[in-house]
Amino acid sequence: AQTVTQSQPEMSVQEAETVTLSCTYDTSENNYYLFWYKQPPSRQMILVIRQEAYKQQNATENRFSVNFQKAAKSFSLKISDSQLGDTAMYFCASRNSNAGGTSYGKLTFGQGTILTVHP
Amino acid sequence: DVKVTQSSRYLVKRTGEKVFLECVQDMDHENMFWYRQDPGLGLRLIYFSYDVKMKEKGDIPEGYSVSREKKERFSLILESASTNQTSMYLCASSRRGQGPYEQYFGPGTRLTVT
Repeated sequence: AQTVTQSQPEMSVQEAETVTLSCTYDTSENNYYLFWYKQPPSRQMILVIRQEAYKQQNATENRFSVNFQKAAKSFSLKISDSQLGDTAMYFCASRNSNAGGTSYGKLTFGQGTILTVHP
Repeated sequence: DVKVTQSSRYLVKRTGEKVFLECVQDMDHENMFWYRQDPGLGLRLIYFSYDVKMKEKGDIPEGYSVSREKKERFSLILESASTNQTSMYLCASSRRGQGPYEQYFGPGTRLTVT
C-alpha cells in the first residue's frame, strides 16, 4: 500500500517570497505518478503539477516547481513569487501507474498543508 | 470547461436518516470517486467506480454504499447516517488508463449529522 506524508500542517509566507512544501511517500512500485493539488478556501480542488517517476527532470508549471528525489522518496513543491491567490490547502498525492492491470487511477493523499500568503 | 457538480453544498441530516449525495460529470470519464475530507487526515477514498454498474471499495467503505447506473452520475448513499459521518464529501472523476491523468473534483458537500 502507498502512504503519503505531509509533515507541515501549516505554513506561511510573505507575498513575492518563495516557499517550499514538503512531502514524502512510500511505495513498493517502480512506476508511479506524483501530484500536487490545491484547494483554495471554499473552492474546488485543482491540479497544480504532476511528476512521472521515471522522468528524472523535475516538473515545472510557471511559478510552481517540484524537487523530486526518487531515492529519498521525497516530492516537495516550491512556489516562487508567492501571490495572495496561492493561499490554499495543498495536498500531495501518489498513484501507481498500473494498479494491478486495471489502472483504476486511485490516488493516495497526504494530510494536507495549509499555506497562507501574507501581504 | 470541464465540470464535476455535486447535488448540495451543505446538508444537515438527523441520525438514522438515509442520505443520498449525487455527483455528475460532463467529461465522459470512466472513473469516478467519492472521498471524505477531515482535518488532519487529508482525503480518504470511500468508494470508486471504473465503469457503469462497477464499483470497488476504497479505504473506508463501512457505513456507505454507492450506485452508478449511468456513466455521468455516481451516487454515495449513507444507509443510516451517524454523527461520525459528519464531514466534507468530495466527488472526483478521471479518465481510465495508465497515464498520469488528473482527477477533477466537485465543489464538495459539507454534511452535518445531528
